[in-house]
Amino acid sequence: DAGITQSPRHKVTETGTPVTLRCHQTENHRYMYWYRQDPGHGLRLIHYSYGVKDTDKGEVSDGYSVSRSNTEDLPLTLESAASSQTSVYFCASSESSRKLFFGSGTQLSVL
Amino acid sequence: DAKTTQPPSMDCAEGRAANLPCNHSTISGNEYVYWYRQIHSQGPQYIIHGLKNNETNEMASLIITEDRKSSTLILPHATLRDTAVYYCIVYSGGSNYKLTFGKGTLLTVNP
Repeated sequence: DAGITQSPRHKVTETGTPVTLRCHQTENHRYMYWYRQDPGHGLRLIHYSYGVKDTDKGEVSDGYSVSRSNTEDLPLTLESAASSQTSVYFCASSESSRKLFFGSGTQLSVL
Repeated sequence: DAKTTQPPSMDCAEGRAANLPCNHSTISGNEYVYWYRQIHSQGPQYIIHGLKNNETNEMASLIITEDRKSSTLILPHATLRDTAVYYCIVYSGGSNYKLTFGKGTLLTVNP
């Protein structure tokens, strides 16, 4: 499996605070993705990157931002955390944009 | 990307073959069929993909009908560890970087 790690595994924060979730991959993959998973909604794409400095929005991007400064990392930033952003977040990477390798997830609770 | 339809849940006895169906009647000629699975609390895992020919790897077999409007993922000898949500995804690749996950099928393998 691809070397992709997410940190932290669990985080509890308060409404209105900024939060950054980290994703690091060691496979030199070109593509990286952030998904969130909520009961009843499945996996939904937040943002994705198709190269260094190249990013685009997914279907649920409001309130989130990403910036890719190198191949290995794609941090996900919540500028002002909201309770609606309580979720499990998964990062993924791929070389061909077809076969994705996922991290173990980050459980975020916004109180 | 074409939409897919999967049953919400299925059961299978341990040691028997699990056959997971997927309908994708609006699939177009350049769209691949991908299968992923997600074991509870883990990130999704790629299983297999195909275009029009049947495919087999160490995890599973993928049978695509001649008209490509449906497919079946086969786990030849299901084990308890195969209990997971299985996602069927139709994806064209190329400049379309986004992989859209539906709700999938919860396969429960019973002892």
